[in-house]
Amino acid sequence: AQKVTQAQTEISVVEKEDVTLDCVYETRDTTYYLFWYKQPPSGELVFLIRRNSFDEQNEISGRYSWNFQKSTSSFNFTITASQVVDSAVYFCALNSGGYQKVTFGTGTKLQVIP
Amino acid sequence: KAGVTQTPRYLIKTRGQQVTLSCSPISGHRSVSWYQQTPGQGLQFLFEYFSETQRNKGNFPGRFSGRQFSNSRSEMNVSTLELGDSALYLCASSLRSLGSYEQYFGPGTRLTVT
Repeated sequence: AQKVTQAQTEISVVEKEDVTLDCVYETRDTTYYLFWYKQPPSGELVFLIRRNSFDEQNEISGRYSWNFQKSTSSFNFTITASQVVDSAVYFCALNSGGYQKVTFGTGTKLQVIP
Repeated sequence: KAGVTQTPRYLIKTRGQQVTLSCSPISGHRSVSWYQQTPGQGLQFLFEYFSETQRNKGNFPGRFSGRQFSNSRSEMNVSTLELGDSALYLCASSLRSLGSYEQYFGPGTRLTVT
């Protein structure tokens, strides 16, 4: 079985603050893929990043960065200097080698207050 | 490149009726997945079609069915609608069958069952 836990249901930060969204996953497979998606108020999920289990390098893209740690089964997402446009629901997702479906976490709603 | 399109965007149906939702994937994408999103259950995988074949199915009753055409367009059908079927139905396309490939989501069809 595969499982994704996003323990933070809602987070509110003031604009320009940094914020980290947590994602913990469970899988017995050695090959798996992790994803982050953003769902703004408009409703359409947007792909942000993909990581495979063999690549533990952290990734930075502008104000976004991701910290993948196999030792703790975590794939956390940090937004630096948050902006109002970052307000959205963020989903972490997992696909394990033995499954042909993606399991999504319950999402973290981020509100950035101006 | 045009994104994933879903029609209709909004739908109101009565209990017992049936409904068909349509999804056109990104050009060149052969995999189409369907998800049901509700406030209580989050994002739940319905099924995936790849090259006109259903590759995997989530834990939904047989009232939920789908198909994929040779041009990769997909339809999802829900028969004998129940109040609990009210949800946002999201379609996602992917270059290949689910696994390492990220998904691109459509805007969704908001189904309300009265």
